[in-house]
Amino acid sequence: GAVVSQHPSWVICKSGTSVKIECRSLDFQATTMFWYRQFPKQSLMLMATSNEGSKATYEQGVEKDKFLINHASLTLSTLTVTSAHPEDSSFYICSARNTGMETQYFGPGTRLLVL
Amino acid sequence: DQQVKQNSPSLSVQEGRISILNCDYTNSMFDYFLWYKKYPAEGPTFLISISSIKDKNEDGRFTVFLNKSAKHLSLHIVPSQPGDSAVYFCAATTGGFKTIFGAGTRLFVKA
Repeated sequence: GAVVSQHPSWVICKSGTSVKIECRSLDFQATTMFWYRQFPKQSLMLMATSNEGSKATYEQGVEKDKFLINHASLTLSTLTVTSAHPEDSSFYICSARNTGMETQYFGPGTRLLVL
Repeated sequence: DQQVKQNSPSLSVQEGRISILNCDYTNSMFDYFLWYKKYPAEGPTFLISISSIKDKNEDGRFTVFLNKSAKHLSLHIVPSQPGDSAVYFCAATTGGFKTIFGAGTRLFVKA
């Protein structure tokens, strides 16, 4: 199956700093990438959808200035959590899909802890 | 508005027996359904899918059944193995657009 990687796998940062998470599709072109957030014992919450070369579409309630998404190439999308606060601590997961694929392939996730 | 519902938060099954995970949906425009498996602290892994033009798809120990009139699908795992213990997410999509996920069902397979 298609492989999606995320980096870093976990990060600890101080409150007020910004954190960048990378999502890469390793063996296919990802025309669309999705960013999810998962709180403990809860389902995946879609944060935003990004298409290569265009601005991301954010879900209701997700601050686009807080969670900056860049999808500059067909294999890379980045999520930057700006001025992170403890309530941003969560498990962030990306997924990727190529045009014509109904199946999304997920990355392994990034655990963020903001102190 | 939950368009995809997994009403059982957890399920416990004896090793070797059948596990049946259920999923209901409300949007009749969904044309593709997927099941994902997720271990703690990992991303979901694609398991099996079914198109709305079919009513059954089988892959090894995993079978997905789709009942369009009831807007219901189920995942059957037989025989269940301890390694199947994980959270299973049902998902649905329309024309490959946004994928809607259910809340997940945690499966425990007891040895």
